[in-house]
Amino acid sequence: AQKVTQAQTEISVVEKEDVTLDCVYETRDTTYYLFWYKQPPSGELVFLIRRNSFDEQNEISGRYSWNFQKSTSSFNFTITASQVVDSAVYFCALSEANYGQNFVFGPGTRLSVLP
Amino acid sequence: NAGVMQNPRHLVRRRGQEARLRCSPMKGHSHVYWYRQLPEEGLKFMVYLQKENIIDESGMPKERFSAEFPKEGPSILRIQQVVRGDSAAYFCASSPRDRRNEKLFFGSGTQLSVL
Repeated sequence: AQKVTQAQTEISVVEKEDVTLDCVYETRDTTYYLFWYKQPPSGELVFLIRRNSFDEQNEISGRYSWNFQKSTSSFNFTITASQVVDSAVYFCALSEANYGQNFVFGPGTRLSVLP
Repeated sequence: NAGVMQNPRHLVRRRGQEARLRCSPMKGHSHVYWYRQLPEEGLKFMVYLQKENIIDESGMPKERFSAEFPKEGPSILRIQQVVRGDSAAYFCASSPRDRRNEKLFFGSGTQLSVL
């Protein structure tokens, strides 16, 4: 069965610190897709990244980077030099190619970046 | 190119009334998903629809909840005889034809408050 775990419920950091948000997933599929979404205080969900199971290359986008480790079923998200505007709830999600019919989201991690 | 449109943004109902939530997917998208987010919780899948078809409703409560996505017009999530526990943010998302590896585009959500 599909499952996404985000063990960190809440994280607080001071501005300019680096922070890593953990995501661990479970799937029986060999082909699957992983996503991160950001939900700022305004409530909308903003897409950040998509990764397929065959691409384990880590990705960097500005201050954001993602570390996909298939061996540990993890897809962690790091924000470098955090800013107050990064304060939001971050969701990791999993979509299977061959099983399951729906997108499964983790419970989310609330990140607070303090000035 | 308008995004996913949900209305109303806020909906207040008294216990026992009906709530109708509307979602217009992005242009060209024929797949719609509904998610519910309870306060301080993550997104819970409710239902996945294509035009005129319910593909997966495994996340829908067995009673009082229904969803449709007609050939013409928006997708509707209907909650009959609402109770206080239905108070939540309801998000709609859409995707193009091949949804498995496509990111979901989310609307801004409808905040339902049951008095």
